[in-house]
Amino acid sequence: QKEVEQNSGPLSVPEGAIASLNCTYSDRGSQSFFWYRQYSGKSPELIMSIYSNGDKEDGRFTAQLNKASQYVSLLIRDSQPSDSATYLCAVNIGDDKIIFGKGTRLHILP
Amino acid sequence: DVKVTQSSRYLVKRTGEKVFLECVQDMDHENMFWYRQDPGLGLRLIYFSYDVKMKEKGDIPEGYSVSREKKERFSLILESASTNQTSMYLCASSLPQGADTGELFFGEGSRLTVL
Repeated sequence: QKEVEQNSGPLSVPEGAIASLNCTYSDRGSQSFFWYRQYSGKSPELIMSIYSNGDKEDGRFTAQLNKASQYVSLLIRDSQPSDSATYLCAVNIGDDKIIFGKGTRLHILP
Repeated sequence: DVKVTQSSRYLVKRTGEKVFLECVQDMDHENMFWYRQDPGLGLRLIYFSYDVKMKEKGDIPEGYSVSREKKERFSLILESASTNQTSMYLCASSLPQGADTGELFFGEGSRLTVL
C-alpha cells in the first residue's frame, strides 16, 4: 500500500526560529506534493504545493522536494504563535488520488 | 471562493442504521473525495470520484458506498453503521491535476457518533 510518513510530534520551536517539517512517501511515481495546515477543530487548508525537485518559496514558507530520496519538507521561517497547528503532507499518487500522512503537530513557544 | 458544504455537522446514530452524509460543491470541480479523520490515524481516503457516476475506492472503503448522480453532489453512505465508524468525515473537491494546482477544498466536516 502506498504510504506517506510523517513524525507525529509535537515539534516545539521557539518564536522567531525556523520550524522544519519532514515527510517521506513510498510511491516513486508520485508527481505532486502538498502541505496542508490544520488548526484544531478546523478543516485542512493548502499552504504549499511542489511538483519539481528543489525549493519553492512563498513568504515565510519554503517547500523542498527530493524525488530521488522520496522526501518532502516544509520550512517555516520566523515562526509565529499563529503557526501552531498540525501540518499534513499530501501526495498525489496518480489519477488524482491524494493521500495524506498522519500529520505533525507544531507548537510555537512564545 | 470555493464552497464545499456538508449537510450535517453533527450526527448521532445507532448501530445498524443507514447513514447518509451529503456534500455539495459550487465550483464545478470534477474531483470529489471522502476522507475520515481519527486521532493518531490522520486523514484516510474512503472513496473518490473524478466524474459523474464514476467512483474509485480509496484505502478504507469497507463498510461504505458512495453516490455521484450530479457533478456538484457526492454522498457517502453507511449501509449499516457500526461503532468503529464513529469519526470525523471530511468531504473535499478539486479540479483535475494539470488544470490547476490540484488543491483540495474541504468542507467543515461531519462528526458522526455511532452508539
